[in-house]
Amino acid sequence: RKEVEQDPGPFNVPEGATVAFNCTYSNSASQSFFWYRQDCRKEPKLLMSVYSSGNEDGRFTAQLNRASQYISLLIRDSKLSDSATYLCVVATTDSWGKLQFGAGTQVVVTP
Amino acid sequence: NAGVTQTPKFRVLKTGQSMTLLCAQDMNHEYMYWYRQDPGMGLRLIHYSVGEGTTAKGEVPDGYNVSRLKKQNFLLGLESAAPSQTSVYFCASTPGQANRRSSYNEQFFGPGTRLTVL
Repeated sequence: RKEVEQDPGPFNVPEGATVAFNCTYSNSASQSFFWYRQDCRKEPKLLMSVYSSGNEDGRFTAQLNRASQYISLLIRDSKLSDSATYLCVVATTDSWGKLQFGAGTQVVVTP
Repeated sequence: NAGVTQTPKFRVLKTGQSMTLLCAQDMNHEYMYWYRQDPGMGLRLIHYSVGEGTTAKGEVPDGYNVSRLKKQNFLLGLESAAPSQTSVYFCASTPGQANRRSSYNEQFFGPGTRLTVL
């Protein structure tokens, strides 16, 4: 079983619509959670960290549910430029900064 | 600042050939990582380093060796390339803190090296 699992998509979203997707993680000792964004054939870049209380960054909202071991990402008012693959990333304690990456959820925003 | 750079960007090898991938960062980061990314799979950690002169195995270390002789450089070597090593290789760095295991900073990635082994 993969440590971090994501629906690969693609999620086809009309411009201006809202899209949301989840990621589940298997290690209950996980301490830190992130969403990274990866454009086609480019390197991953940090989109946002995910805090226990949930957090928002502009049109992006991230939630953490420790009891059910999942995190979510919601994108409001989708833009064409939001088309990308979103990587769910998890870190455990005592890991020397090592991260566990999900395989990614592809989002395609259409005009 | 250039951030994290990787050379080469593309390479085609024949089975059994060797090569070295170079990662360089100019951010004075302590920790550096090598990942491979294959279709349908998340990035998988090959080797990592938490400081100059130190290296450790990650999730998929077989067939690879690494060295960190200078803080700013992290080299990944393939001694005898195999078709299974066809992949996109990413290097990343993070500030980290020497001797601190719990140090979750943003990882900064290089642009990747696309390697094909025939």
